[in-house]
Amino acid sequence: AQSVAQPEDQVNVAEGNPLTVKCTYSVSGNPYLFWYVQYPNRGLQFLLKYITGDNLVKGSYGFEAEFNKSQTSFHLKKPSALVSDSALYFCAVRDKAWAAGNKLTFGGGTRVLVKP
Amino acid sequence: ETGVTQSPTHLIKTRGQQVTLRCSSQSGHNTVSWYQQALGQGPQFIFQYYREEENGRGNFPPRFSGLQFPNYSSELNVNALELDDSALYLCASREIGSGITGELFFGEGSRLTVL
Repeated sequence: AQSVAQPEDQVNVAEGNPLTVKCTYSVSGNPYLFWYVQYPNRGLQFLLKYITGDNLVKGSYGFEAEFNKSQTSFHLKKPSALVSDSALYFCAVRDKAWAAGNKLTFGGGTRVLVKP
Repeated sequence: ETGVTQSPTHLIKTRGQQVTLRCSSQSGHNTVSWYQQALGQGPQFIFQYYREEENGRGNFPPRFSGLQFPNYSSELNVNALELDDSALYLCASREIGSGITGELFFGEGSRLTVL
């Protein structure tokens, strides 16, 4: 069975500093990986995805993620964090065995707090 | 703005009651799925619908059921509510033509409290 781990419950960073949110995965075969962000009392917003190709994926709001197959990781990064980036971040992997492709397995989430 | 709307946004029920949650997807998004997000946890897959038929289910009992309609709307029904059903319920849709690599678009959720 596939799984996703986000080892940090919370990440604190000063505004303007680099932000990294860690994610590791366990799947059979090549993974389809996603990052979503959730603001308080809101649904999930898509940030970026890795399907194949370049290991560095660029997404929305200045975020990027680096896929590392040997370390089975897909860490989310932002070079310069903003206070408005404070939110809950989820890493997810798609089950490729599902024909309609809607089953995502999510990590437990990492809360990011960016301080002014 | 994802184009996926859910109602109601909040509701309170008592144990043993039944609840219906509704979702309206974007035009062309003919596959829909529902997730349960308990407080402090990541979303968990409940089931998915394609062409008005359930074609995949997560580890949830039969008292969780759904419907999908031709107009890109769908429902999640939960019978015999239990305290542990208290959660944020998220609807997500995807254009089937986007293939297995397409991302899901989520609604803002319905927060259910069971007393």
